[in-house]
Amino acid sequence: LAKTTQPISMDSYEGQEVNITCSHNNIATNDYITWYQQFPSQGPRFIIQGYKTKVTNEVASLFIPADRKSSTLSLPRVSLSDTAVYYCLVGDRMDSSYKLIFGSGTRLLVRP
Amino acid sequence: NAGVTQTPKFQVLKTGQSMTLQCAQDMNHNSMYWYRQDPGMGLRLIYYSASEGTTDKGEVPNGYNVSRLNKREFSLRLESAAPSQTSVYFCASRLTDGRPDTQYFGPGTRLTVL
Repeated sequence: LAKTTQPISMDSYEGQEVNITCSHNNIATNDYITWYQQFPSQGPRFIIQGYKTKVTNEVASLFIPADRKSSTLSLPRVSLSDTAVYYCLVGDRMDSSYKLIFGSGTRLLVRP
Repeated sequence: NAGVTQTPKFQVLKTGQSMTLQCAQDMNHNSMYWYRQDPGMGLRLIYYSASEGTTDKGEVPNGYNVSRLNKREFSLRLESAAPSQTSVYFCASRLTDGRPDTQYFGPGTRLTVL
């Protein structure tokens, strides 16, 4: 299983760009990298998924270097409502038997 | 589409009591999962089911049993509840057909064991 390592917490201010990096040194060839967001008392929800280089959607960007041993979730111009816990997962999206293990996540606090 | 539904939303048990948490998904997903989340902590995988008729242990399976009743339903049973099982339980489902897949989570069941 590819283990992920993230910072435990990060602070930011409204309007700033936030970059959260995840380390996954033993990522496998077929693994994709997926980021989730969790608000208090809610289940996690999907933010973005990628395999290599850069992926962008309406919410965030995901940067993955060529060696794929890490990835960076970028949240542009955060607001107070982006205060949440962010999880990075790696897994084979074709393998239904793959255990999806969440780490401790990164607790992001956005201040006014 | 209701997505992933869980019942009950809240439950209080006494030590030694048993109960079953229900989970259902209407997205025709192959895989289903049960996680627990303790206060201030990340999610920990209890059991998962890769497909109908199969189940496997996750990180913290002790004290739990599961049943994949059909493709839609995946239940979690506590045979003899203990205070250490006080937690929020999330069920999730996942489609694995090669498209960019994600897990979809239910709203959670908040369980207190006295």
